[in-house]
Amino acid sequence: QVQLQESGPGLVKPSQTLSLTCTVSGGSISSAGYYWTWIRQLPGKGLEWIGYIYYSGSTYYNPSLKSRLTISVDTSKNQFYLKLSSVTAADTAVYHCARDVGGFGSFDPWGQGTLVSVSS
Amino acid sequence: QSALTQPASVSGSPGQSITISCTGTNSDVGGHNYVSWYQQYPGKAPKLIIYEVTNRPSGVSNRFSGSKSGNTASLTISGLQAEDEADYYCSSYTSSTTLVFGGGTELTVL
Repeated sequence: QVQLQESGPGLVKPSQTLSLTCTVSGGSISSAGYYWTWIRQLPGKGLEWIGYIYYSGSTYYNPSLKSRLTISVDTSKNQFYLKLSSVTAADTAVYHCARDVGGFGSFDPWGQGTLVSVSS
Repeated sequence: QSALTQPASVSGSPGQSITISCTGTNSDVGGHNYVSWYQQYPGKAPKLIIYEVTNRPSGVSNRFSGSKSGNTASLTISGLQAEDEADYYCSSYTSSTTLVFGGGTELTVL
């Protein structure tokens, strides 16, 4: 079955760019109908949809993050990526990647998540 | 976009039924049949338990059911079990082609 795994630095300095990779295994990222998603969970709080990308490269972003956000995909590596610029402590969170079946919010499966702390 | 509104906590005794509400607007919950529910244990990733308001993924217990009326969606867990103690989140597609989550509900099994 499809599995997703996040990777990237666990510590980022304020004002720098947070960069994460999600590796998809057990299936092709180019399969039709799936939207590859980033979601974060702020400490002690709920979930926040960051955005998603289709294998063709079409992206959809959370308006509150859009000015700082880039999501991209490399179909040859079966990976997709998150870049969030000008980070502050408020961006400290567990970042999950997930597959959205259909693009309407059916997120399944999820990666286990990776904690990214923003601190000097 | 504003988060969907869920009660912070609910509780119930084993064998009882509980319902968790998820209230939005006619631009999200009320405007589409794309509401999902997730179960999350501490330190674990969320798991999809309901999609498109009423549908259960393969392998999810039929004790979990979803419904919607107007701008409010609901998750009902019947025959409550100790293993159901977890956090539950709703999500909805929006008219702005984005997704929004609820703030989460902590379920305690007494």
